[in-house]
Amino acid sequence: DAGVIQSPRHEVTEMGQEVTLRCKPISGHDYLFWYRQTMMRGLELLIYFNNNVPIDDSGMPEDRFSAKMPNASFSTLKIQPSEPRDSAVYFCASSSLVGTIYSYNEQFFGPGTRLTVL
Amino acid sequence: GDSVTQMEGPVTLSEEAFLTINCTYTATGYPSLFWYVQYPGEGLQLLLKATKADDKGSNKGFEATYRKETTSFHLEKGSVQVSDSAVYFCALGNQFYFGTGTSLTVIP
Repeated sequence: DAGVIQSPRHEVTEMGQEVTLRCKPISGHDYLFWYRQTMMRGLELLIYFNNNVPIDDSGMPEDRFSAKMPNASFSTLKIQPSEPRDSAVYFCASSSLVGTIYSYNEQFFGPGTRLTVL
Repeated sequence: GDSVTQMEGPVTLSEEAFLTINCTYTATGYPSLFWYVQYPGEGLQLLLKATKADDKGSNKGFEATYRKETTSFHLEKGSVQVSDSAVYFCALGNQFYFGTGTSLTVIP
């Protein structure tokens, strides 16, 4: 398997523009996560999906952020309009449930998208 | 609620020094415990895991034991190398919180 695939790897845009980040999870994984990493705040969970359904989006910073998972092999994270404070590395990860309510298998992370908003 | 508390960094060690990064947890039930590593410019990757009490996870010379009595999962390595320089994250298997991790720099 190729692992979790993210695109683009780098994105530079101007304030006010729409940004779309893309993710292809590992085949067979039924959980997909979007994280944002900054020096100040560390790695923050934005939203996660189970079987393509959003389960918890409480980490999405504001209405400018939206995420979709139209099928099991593709997800997008959109920022519209973008702002300089959105500059960060955005990671997608996928995983599966062990089989009990107590624990998940490890998450597999993509290489990340480094977003710079000027 | 369930959580982990991880040693603050940064940590700087000389090559071949002994490494310990502390991690304690609070959890209901017995979720798996993980250590992830993030090398510069990359995503997180699993370093090792333990799925039940007294399990020892090990990989690349790193070890951690799932200790129920002390609610700990400390990461250890007997002799670090420059290539171990990275950020290390302790995580619970029933949580999706990673925080800032512990940055390790190994100097020759």
